[in-house]
Amino acid sequence: AQKVTQAQTEISVVEKEDVTLDCVYETRDTTYYLFWYKQPPSGELVFLIRRNSFDEQNEISGRYSWNFQKSTSSFNFTITASQVVDSAVYFCALNPNFGNEKLTFGTGTRLTIIP
Amino acid sequence: DTGVSQNPRHKITKRGQNVTFRCDPISEHNRLYWYRQTLGQGPEFLTYFQNEAQLEKSRLLSDRFSAERPKGSFSTLEIQRTEQGDSAMYLCASSLSRGNNFDGYTFGSGTRLTVV
Repeated sequence: AQKVTQAQTEISVVEKEDVTLDCVYETRDTTYYLFWYKQPPSGELVFLIRRNSFDEQNEISGRYSWNFQKSTSSFNFTITASQVVDSAVYFCALNPNFGNEKLTFGTGTRLTIIP
Repeated sequence: DTGVSQNPRHKITKRGQNVTFRCDPISEHNRLYWYRQTLGQGPEFLTYFQNEAQLEKSRLLSDRFSAERPKGSFSTLEIQRTEQGDSAMYLCASSLSRGNNFDGYTFGSGTRLTVV
């Protein structure tokens, strides 16, 4: 069975602080994809990143960075110098094997950036 | 192409009524997915199509739910005899499937259903 756990239900930080959102996953598959999506109040899920299980290199995109560690089955997301526009619900998701495009989502972390 | 479009954005219906939602995917995408999201939860998979063929249905999709994708373009999701437990956001997504290369979905803004 596949499972994604986002233990942090809600996080609040003051603007310009750094914040890390945790994601732990479970799968028996040796090949898989991991994703992060952002859901602002408008409701639309916005794609942030895709990482396949063969690539454990960390990735940085502007103020966003992702740390993928297969040894701990974690795929954590860090926002540096947070801004009010970062306020949203963030979802981590797992696609358990290549060719099967069904996503298993975590329950999300609601991030509030306080101005 | 402006992305995945869903209509209506909001629907309020009385218990027992039938409702139908529509999703227009990105035109070149061959796969279309329906997910349901309840308050405080992540989206849960309902069903997906490759072109016009419905390839998988979740156990969440009871007999009251039916989805179609005629001609492999837009899709409709119908709920018959709605129940209060059907109240949720219904999300549609599309993707271009090319063998084992999966770039991820593009989601629509969803249809929020409230059953009173």
